[in-house]
Amino acid sequence: QVQLQQWGAGLLKPSETLSLKCAVYGGSFSGYYWSWIRQPPGKGLEWIGEINHSGSTNYNPSLKSRVTISVDTSKDQFSLKLRSVTAADTAVYYCARVQLWFGAQDWYFDLWGRGTLVTVSS
Amino acid sequence: QSVLTQPPSVSGAPGQTVTVSCTGSSSNIGAGYDVHWYQQLPGTAPKLLIYGNNNRPSGVPDRFSGSKSGSSASLAITGLQAEDEADYYCQSYDSSLSGSRVFGGGTKLTVL
Repeated sequence: QVQLQQWGAGLLKPSETLSLKCAVYGGSFSGYYWSWIRQPPGKGLEWIGEINHSGSTNYNPSLKSRVTISVDTSKDQFSLKLRSVTAADTAVYYCARVQLWFGAQDWYFDLWGRGTLVTVSS
Repeated sequence: QSVLTQPPSVSGAPGQTVTVSCTGSSSNIGAGYDVHWYQQLPGTAPKLLIYGNNNRPSGVPDRFSGSKSGSSASLAITGLQAEDEADYYCQSYDSSLSGSRVFGGGTKLTVL
């Protein structure tokens, strides 16, 4: 079955760049969009953005100026970079598969990685 | 402040039925965009529970059902079980500003 395995640095200082990767195993990579979602400790979920195998991206407008999501189709991997982090970026970051459904606005997340806790502290 | 509003908590005894509401506006649910629901058990990643307003992925018990009307949606859980104790999130799309996928703030279900 399809699995998402994610990894990256868990402790950052303010102003540094968060960098996470997510690998897709056991299924098609090119037939989907792939997304990053985060969850601050004790709080709700926030969509960060998404990418497809061709590199077409959509971003949350509130984070767009600091975020880059990229793809490496040779490895069935996609990555997240978030620049100039602050304590407010402390969260569990999830990678997820986006299931296409009717209109693009109606897509949903049908498979999730285990999450990576990223802490920003001086 | 989430674009989609959920009650912070709901509770029910085993065997009872509970509903979780998700209230939006004319720029999201009211605009006709579908609503999806996720279950997050303590310490785990969210899991898809309902997609496209009222569809269950395979493996999700039929005790879980979704509905949508106007600018709101609801998740109903019948025959409550202890294992249903979790956080529940609704998700849709909001077309204001440049558009974004959005989540509700989450609802903690306690099984008494």
